Amino acid sequence: GAGVSQSPSNKVTEKGKDVELRCDPISGHTALYWYRQSLGQGLEFLIYFQGNSAPDKSGLPSDRFSAERTGGSVSTLTIQRTQQEDSAVYLCASSFFTGELFFGEGSRLTVL
Amino acid sequence: SQKIEQNSEALNIQEGKTATLTCNYTNYSPAYLQWYRQDPGRGPVFLLLIRENEKEKRKERLKVTFDTTLKQSLFHITASQPADSATYLCALDITSGTYKYIFGTGTRLKVLA
Repeated sequence: GAGVSQSPSNKVTEKGKDVELRCDPISGHTALYWYRQSLGQGLEFLIYFQGNSAPDKSGLPSDRFSAERTGGSVSTLTIQRTQQEDSAVYLCASSFFTGELFFGEGSRLTVL
Repeated sequence: SQKIEQNSEALNIQEGKTATLTCNYTNYSPAYLQWYRQDPGRGPVFLLLIRENEKEKRKERLKVTFDTTLKQSLFHITASQPADSATYLCALDITSGTYKYIFGTGTRLKVLA
């Protein structure tokens, strides 16, 4: 596909369950970002992968959150033992050296 | 503390007028500043990027200025149309040149017909 693809688009889970969110970036893009957007709020930085460098995890809100990027392409954001405050839209973006970010449509997570 | 501020109040303007949105930041020295448009339920879409050594950038009806002394960017939409109604986000690379982008809170613009 031509754009950034995220799955699932919607996820409803029970408190305490683990969830995995997937991001397929644009082919050839070296950088990949995860952001979180709560209702009516701006984008909160979570994690940033750039090429083969160690990821910048400084935005992850707790150790329940982790992310990996396999083969410099697909990324998975994992949230363990979900809490209600984790409910938000999780946005993935990728970019090449120009710095322009291309976003997916997001994964909406609802924790009951 | 470090932060990026945009008008939190919604901005309503009349069709045909120029909309001006502000983005102020503190304690950063970004190499790049970007503006994005976000429609409800969608991911943000890139509009313009301006570099620290550029004062102004234009694209069709859009104009961005970047004042590194004031730590401020202004985003203008001229001859605004109802289709321009959306939330506009600024983003800057908080560690200069690393492309680690942090976003402002966004300003909701409504253009009235």
